[in-house]
Amino acid sequence: EPEVTQTPSHQVTQMGQEVILRCVPISNHLYFYWYRQILGQKVEFLVSFYNNEISEKSEIFDDQFSVERPDGSNFTLKIRSTKLEDSAMYFCASRTDRGTDTQYFGPGTRLTVL
Amino acid sequence: GESVGLHLPTLSVQEGDNSIINCAYSNSASDYFIWYKQESGKGPQFIIDIRSNMDKRQGQRVTVLLNKTVKHLSLQIAATQPGDSAVYFCAEKRGLGSQGNLIFGKGTKLSVKP
Repeated sequence: EPEVTQTPSHQVTQMGQEVILRCVPISNHLYFYWYRQILGQKVEFLVSFYNNEISEKSEIFDDQFSVERPDGSNFTLKIRSTKLEDSAMYFCASRTDRGTDTQYFGPGTRLTVL
Repeated sequence: GESVGLHLPTLSVQEGDNSIINCAYSNSASDYFIWYKQESGKGPQFIIDIRSNMDKRQGQRVTVLLNKTVKHLSLQIAATQPGDSAVYFCAEKRGLGSQGNLIFGKGTKLSVKP
């Protein structure tokens, strides 16, 4: 069964450093999403991406964040200058455009900012 | 404010019993609802979904009920098993104008006693 994959599983970085989180969505999916989950809290929407552009973003997704689909398979989230409060699990999700709203999530990347 | 929330943060059931996990939502414009299961250290796993034009939907051992009058969503798990132990999140998708991002509730932790 196809699934969303994410790398790395755990990323540790120093405050102020740039990080890139990588995702490979399910191959025939066209909508892509990033969510985050601070430890013990609910999952929060960050950004949605369709047709090579951002279609929606939350207030969390400020100028420090960017997304990119550099090729036909990868979908990345970049944080330019990490802050302590960026520490969280980051989940990528994808869905097809064929009459369903079901989003399938990856296993997540745990980002720890020191 | 508008949010999706859960009535009970924890639920403990005996193996073999039925479980009912509840969720309240406040946005009447939401047209799609989904339940996810999240095991420790993993990403949300799709369980079942329902559109706002339906009241009930059944899957394998799971049933989702939607009561739009009182803006209430529930997940019923039949013959609960130890493998069902996890945190369960409901999420809603806003209707017109939304690109599909999901608004998650806080989660209910289900513990199954053998």
